[in-house]
Amino acid sequence: DGGITQSPKYLFRKEGQNVTLSCEQNLNHDAMYWYRQDPGQGLRLIYYSQIVNDFQKGDIAEGYSVSREKKESFPLTVTSAQKNPTAFYLCASSDRQGAPGYSNQPQHFGDGTRLSIL
Amino acid sequence: AQKITQTQPGMFVQEKEAVTLDCTYDTSDQSYGLFWYKQPSSGEMIFLIYQGSYDEQNATEGRYSLNFQKARKSANLVISASQLGDSAMYFCAIPSMNTGFQKLVFGTGTRLLVSP
Repeated sequence: DGGITQSPKYLFRKEGQNVTLSCEQNLNHDAMYWYRQDPGQGLRLIYYSQIVNDFQKGDIAEGYSVSREKKESFPLTVTSAQKNPTAFYLCASSDRQGAPGYSNQPQHFGDGTRLSIL
Repeated sequence: AQKITQTQPGMFVQEKEAVTLDCTYDTSDQSYGLFWYKQPSSGEMIFLIYQGSYDEQNATEGRYSLNFQKARKSANLVISASQLGDSAMYFCAIPSMNTGFQKLVFGTGTRLLVSP
């Protein structure tokens, strides 16, 4: 079955440590996204990528980094510069829209990674 | 900028009854779409239904339907014949197309609890 796989499900970070969250998709989607969700809030966009070897900052990119070396993979690194990393992280993918304007292509999400500070 | 408002932090409904979850939006785009997602306690976001602003009919998808009122900028989700498995968080979202890219702007969600 096609889908998005995030790992690990739970992750703990020590002070000053970088950690990497994995996101793999086999939906053949061009676009991939990382969101952060805090309790009682909706999702906020961290980074997105429309194509391999290209990615853009979202609304809350500070303290995070990404890479897109392969179409199916979009790992997120939470760096030590992110002072409040405790949150639920969701990865998503979608078909690339074909033309400017709004798109009816839904984003498909993984099961998420819950990151906590030790 | 796009904005989604979900004013109901929590809703209760009995099994087999219908429930309406409210969503109002703000956008300056002439053409846009609206998405609804379900988030069970396990965490994954499940796409439920989509409404395009120029669609002539309200969207329906099984037990889910949208009460889309463009002039009032509302896109309320109606769940008919509620089931226990419908207990979850529900999010309304609208694409932000400023950069020619579909960035989704989410509301704060509504928690639905279905009781037997």
